[in-house]
Amino acid sequence: AQRVTQPEKLLSVFKGAPVELKCNYSYSGSPELFWYVQYSRQRLQLLLRHISRESIKGFTADLNKGETSFHLKKPFAQEEDSAMYYCALRRYGGSQGNLIFGKGTKLSVKP
Amino acid sequence: EAGVAQSPRYKIIEKRQSVAFWCNPISGHATLYWYQQILGQGPKLLIQFQNNGVVDDSQLPKDRFSAERLKGVDSTLKIQPAKLEDSAVYLCASSLTAGGNEQFFGPGTRLTVL
Repeated sequence: AQRVTQPEKLLSVFKGAPVELKCNYSYSGSPELFWYVQYSRQRLQLLLRHISRESIKGFTADLNKGETSFHLKKPFAQEEDSAMYYCALRRYGGSQGNLIFGKGTKLSVKP
Repeated sequence: EAGVAQSPRYKIIEKRQSVAFWCNPISGHATLYWYQQILGQGPKLLIQFQNNGVVDDSQLPKDRFSAERLKGVDSTLKIQPAKLEDSAVYLCASSLTAGGNEQFFGPGTRLTVL
């Protein structure tokens, strides 16, 4: 079964501290992994995708197929990073583009 | 460019009533998705359209939910009759095509069933 697991409902860190939001997935084929973010009173938006291998707003995520993980990391958290973060997967190259989401992790960055 | 539009933003109804949601995707986007997000959960796909055809509706409760995209542009999602467990945010998303393109989400419609 296809599944995305985000073990932490809430993650609270202080400004300037490193942050890691965990994501594990279960998928039998070749998945495409994403991180979506939803800031307060804004719509859900793409943060980054594993095939781009880029850093967005200081965040990076590496796909580890051996551990079936796609953890989101940032070395120095900022208050504006406070938001809801969702990990999602999609079958790579498929015509069905729908995303399978985890339950989300709320990140709170304290001053 | 204008984003995905949805209306209404909020709706409160009583159980067994009917309700409809409307979505207008980004211009030129062939693929349209409806997701249901229950409180504390991530979004879950209900139905995916490619132009005016259904690609995936395997998780749509067809006894009460229906959706259409007649002209391949905007779409409506209907619930008839509503149940308490239908209380959720209904998100519409669109992308250029299905395969590798980014999905852009609308603001959602928050439905409360009393």
